[in-house]
Amino acid sequence: QSVLTQPPSVSGAPGQRVTISCTGSSSNIGAGYDVHWYQQLPGTAPKLLIYGNSNRPSGVPDRFSGSKSGTSASLAITGLQAEDEADYYCQSYDSSLSGSRVFGGGTKVTVL
Amino acid sequence: EVQLLESGGNLVHPGGSLRLSCAASGFTFSSYAMSWVRQAPGKGLEWVSALSGSGGSTHYADSVKGRFTISRDNSKNTLYLQMNSLRAEDTAIYYCAKDPSYFYDGGTYFDYWGQGTLVTVSS
Repeated sequence: QSVLTQPPSVSGAPGQRVTISCTGSSSNIGAGYDVHWYQQLPGTAPKLLIYGNSNRPSGVPDRFSGSKSGTSASLAITGLQAEDEADYYCQSYDSSLSGSRVFGGGTKVTVL
Repeated sequence: EVQLLESGGNLVHPGGSLRLSCAASGFTFSSYAMSWVRQAPGKGLEWVSALSGSGGSTHYADSVKGRFTISRDNSKNTLYLQMNSLRAEDTAIYYCAKDPSYFYDGGTYFDYWGQGTLVTVSS
């Protein structure tokens, strides 16, 4: 059971917009800790996609955007493309777990 | 270009030991905190351990505390994870990951990842 809760899967047609939620609690997201997002393409290592809730590293398309409110965060992908089919993970910090960074369980995005 | 190359993964019996290495290049290794993150087959990501740029401050997940030891050799640009008393539930791909800062700050992120090395614990 992951500390942060994500839907197991979401899907959309090419060009559509999909969102992935990441729900936490008062000891992590709700306590004000930043949320970060990673993309893991099949058979590869995770890659940083969004940091500090809504910031994109250099090279990440602006089709990807992040937001945070209360005890939850969201990742949005607009103009969905075939190459976006991957697993997506949110990550934050939990003050009840002695220094631990915590992840969501991951969301598989399928492009129909 | 930042590169992180893990090695040392293998099949080991329950109760056994293994040492993983992560060779870093493309950045000033001693200036950044580093972590190990694992992923069990078909499962999600789990942070395992981290240490500061000097190696003087270390942090562990409760699931590995007392069994795993993280260290680094800044003269060799290499990160290590000594794993003892291994259990079946430690079976995973182990990734090394770089922090964007010198000190480990739980609230920050991993900006670069290696390709991972597979550890299998089985009799």
